[in-house]
Amino acid sequence: DAKTTQPPSMDCAEGRAANLPCNHSTISGNEYVYWYRQIHSQGPQYIIHGLKNNETNEMASLIITEDRKSSTLILPHATLRDTAVYYCIVRPYGGSQGNLIFGKGTKLSVKP
Amino acid sequence: DGGITQSPKYLFRKEGQNVTLSCEQNLNHDAMYWYRQDPGQGLRLIYYSQIVNDFQKGDIAEGYSVSREKKESFPLTVTSAQKNPTAFYLCASSRGQENSPLHFGNGTRLTVT
Repeated sequence: DAKTTQPPSMDCAEGRAANLPCNHSTISGNEYVYWYRQIHSQGPQYIIHGLKNNETNEMASLIITEDRKSSTLILPHATLRDTAVYYCIVRPYGGSQGNLIFGKGTKLSVKP
Repeated sequence: DGGITQSPKYLFRKEGQNVTLSCEQNLNHDAMYWYRQDPGQGLRLIYYSQIVNDFQKGDIAEGYSVSREKKESFPLTVTSAQKNPTAFYLCASSRGQENSPLHFGNGTRLTVT
């Protein structure tokens, strides 16, 4: 079973920030939070990951709460091309990357 | 450009036939993975390999086989023993180091009738 809980769907207006929440209340101290997204009929694309500090890259920002039980992926200026299913995943440090458990994710619809 | 190539994009087979899906990467990654995705579902791990000539079963390995004779190639065979082979198959690779993310191919959609 997935160790994360995400809303099944969200809408966002084009040009606005998209804030995608993820609950991982059972996360362990050595587990990282990863975000991937999957555009229809394509392979998933890596977005960002973090342990406890907030992270930012050219695609998104990741905000992890102080107790690490939840996180938020932020797409600062959503475009129509950001419409996709977004997966939040926890992975233990030292474990095989293949043991990532992809749940059903959040389907983000960016609307004009 | 570096990446992962899966071929073909669409594959059709008759029930009872084995079929092999191709996965090639030129990223010089040590680890490679196969996942299966069913409509509206997340990804499930079939097999993975962290080095050449070695691989491990994932959560749903029954009815599948793999080989890893070369670093850049990790073909998946869907055998006739797989009860529900129709699915979207995704191959991925990673450097295999701590925290290195997965890079995915664009998948092969297999339909068995």
